[in-house]
Amino acid sequence: AQTVTQSQPEMSVQEAETVTLSCTYDTSESNYYLFWYKQPPSRQMILVIRQEAYKQQNATENRFSVNFQKAAKSFSLKISDSQLGDTAMYFCAFMKHDSGNTPLVFGKGTRLSVIA
Amino acid sequence: DAGVIQSPRHEVTEMGQEVTLRCKPISGHNSLFWYRQTMMRGLELLIYFNNNVPIDDSGMPEDRFSAKMPNASFSTLKIQPSEPRDSAVYFCASSSGAGALYNEQFFGPGTRLTVL
Repeated sequence: AQTVTQSQPEMSVQEAETVTLSCTYDTSESNYYLFWYKQPPSRQMILVIRQEAYKQQNATENRFSVNFQKAAKSFSLKISDSQLGDTAMYFCAFMKHDSGNTPLVFGKGTRLSVIA
Repeated sequence: DAGVIQSPRHEVTEMGQEVTLRCKPISGHNSLFWYRQTMMRGLELLIYFNNNVPIDDSGMPEDRFSAKMPNASFSTLKIQPSEPRDSAVYFCASSSGAGALYNEQFFGPGTRLTVL
């Protein structure tokens, strides 16, 4: 079974600063995907960024980037130039690669507050 | 596209009553997932379907929970009888197995269930 651990229940950052959210995972799978989801107060789940395990290059989406360390089973999210709208819960998630679609396994989340 | 549709958005009921949650996946998606979110347990999978067939229901808490997917455009999650510990936000998500959107899950807005 896969597990995902987010060790920071809460974090805060000043507007325009950079913040890094940590995530580690445990799996015996060799082929999988990793995700960061954002959940604002509206509770809508929004995909922020995705990383395929077979890709060595770290994924980047505008102000969001990841540091994927496969050997260490680490997958951190860096948010640059933080904005007030980034205030939300952030969930790290794992998905096994299979011939069909498979479920997400989530960490417990990190609550991020961006302070003006 | 309207995205994943869930109804109702909010449900308040009394212990012992039957509750039915509904989900309409994105047209053309062949996988559907039911997740539950609580403060204590975070986001966890209840059950998922591929091509309308239940694949894994190991996350369903007990016999009081049942889920069906009679066709590709509709699924229900039923709790009978409901208990206060079932209070949570229930998310439905769907995904396609084809093309560039493979493995991304699109979430509905969730149903907040309160059992008194």
